[in-house]
Amino acid sequence: NAGVTQTPKFQVLKTGQSMTLQCAQDMNHNSMYWYRQDPGMGLRLIYYSASEGTTDKGEVPNGYNVSRLNKREFSLRLESAAPSQTSVYFCASSESGVGIGYTFGSGTRLTVV
Amino acid sequence: GENVEQHPSTLSVQEGDSAVIKCTYSDSASNYFPWYKQELGKGPQLIIDIRSNVGEKKDQRIAVTLNKTAKHFSLHITETQPEDSAVYFCAAPATFQKLVFGTGTRLLVSP
Repeated sequence: NAGVTQTPKFQVLKTGQSMTLQCAQDMNHNSMYWYRQDPGMGLRLIYYSASEGTTDKGEVPNGYNVSRLNKREFSLRLESAAPSQTSVYFCASSESGVGIGYTFGSGTRLTVV
Repeated sequence: GENVEQHPSTLSVQEGDSAVIKCTYSDSASNYFPWYKQELGKGPQLIIDIRSNVGEKKDQRIAVTLNKTAKHFSLHITETQPEDSAVYFCAAPATFQKLVFGTGTRLLVSP
């Protein structure tokens, strides 16, 4: 089925470990986004990529890096995980900007101990 | 930048009742307002959206209204059913490329 695929679905890390969250979309969308979801905080933008070859910081970028590998793939890297990064991470894509609704992946639940 | 506030944070209704969720936004230039539904363990899914050139949009039991003067928009669900139980998010554009989301409303529909 067409959509946004995120891997892994669950992950437990120790403080200081690194990992990369993977996201791929097969809808030929130009824009891709990484959000984190915390209780009572809604969805907060970490990084986004308006088009292939570009990335920009969102509201909460500290502690994260991203790579827009190609038009389909947009990865999120935690270089040195901290307990404050325990969250559910969602990748989303859209055809162009916000005028057309986002399609979200099913999320990655990350726990940092 | 854009700021979106959403109320209430939780809403409990009986099956068949109506539910209303309200959001306010700060940027008068915003022109697109989507609503997302998130079921347990899943990502948010777009259920309805409205653009600033209309005041109301309906899709079966769901409607969204927009008051540009007051800078608020609302989601209305009529004849609620247990499967409407979920978390609902409103959003508004921060810039052309980004959405800012409200903090979510947990709707519980009791049979």
